[in-house]
Amino acid sequence: DADVTQTPRNRITKTGKRIMLECSQTKGHDRMYWYRQDPGLGLRLIYYSFDVKDINKGEISDGYSVSRQAQAKFSLSLESAIPNQTALYFCATSGLPGQNTEAFFGQGTRLTVV
Amino acid sequence: AQTVTQSQPEMSVQEAETVTLSCTYDTSESDYYLFWYKQPPSRQMILVIRQEAYKQQNATENRFSVNFQKAAKSFSLKISDSQLGDAAMYFCARVDQKVTFGIGTKLQVIP
Repeated sequence: DADVTQTPRNRITKTGKRIMLECSQTKGHDRMYWYRQDPGLGLRLIYYSFDVKDINKGEISDGYSVSRQAQAKFSLSLESAIPNQTALYFCATSGLPGQNTEAFFGQGTRLTVV
Repeated sequence: AQTVTQSQPEMSVQEAETVTLSCTYDTSESDYYLFWYKQPPSRQMILVIRQEAYKQQNATENRFSVNFQKAAKSFSLKISDSQLGDAAMYFCARVDQKVTFGIGTKLQVIP
């Protein structure tokens, strides 16, 4: 089983619809992240969470919300999807600073908003 | 914002030759780590190499090595004996309080 699992892998949705992307991890990491990837823009941070009670906005949080249901679960919601939210979305986890741990990624969710 | 900069959107290299991908970053943290990730068309993010900022010695993993210049905040990736399977997007990342990525360099390997 993958260390970080994202569902769904691919999704097409209509403008105005609410959609949730889910992420679960078995790494035991406290830190979890949501990124979106667009051509030429790299991976941009949407939200991140240092533990269940600590959630922070990233550089592009507008139009998104998150929920950290448990240490292992971190979901991303688009309350009212719009076409410019079409992108590849990644969930990632990492250990604490000083633990020399890289970020572990899910396999990505390809979201298309039509 | 504390950034990670990859100034080469695309690079190409002849098979079996050597190529260097550049990365610069800024940070106010004293404790951080640097990584290079590879993303092939499968879109999976694969760790290539890591460097602890407190270590002066440059990291090496088989054909991959880094040139870490802490004072200059530079972290370049050298790929030796390039292979067709090295063709991918390469992302530089800094890990301190969170994980920050550059915009990526698309590497083409020419047979």
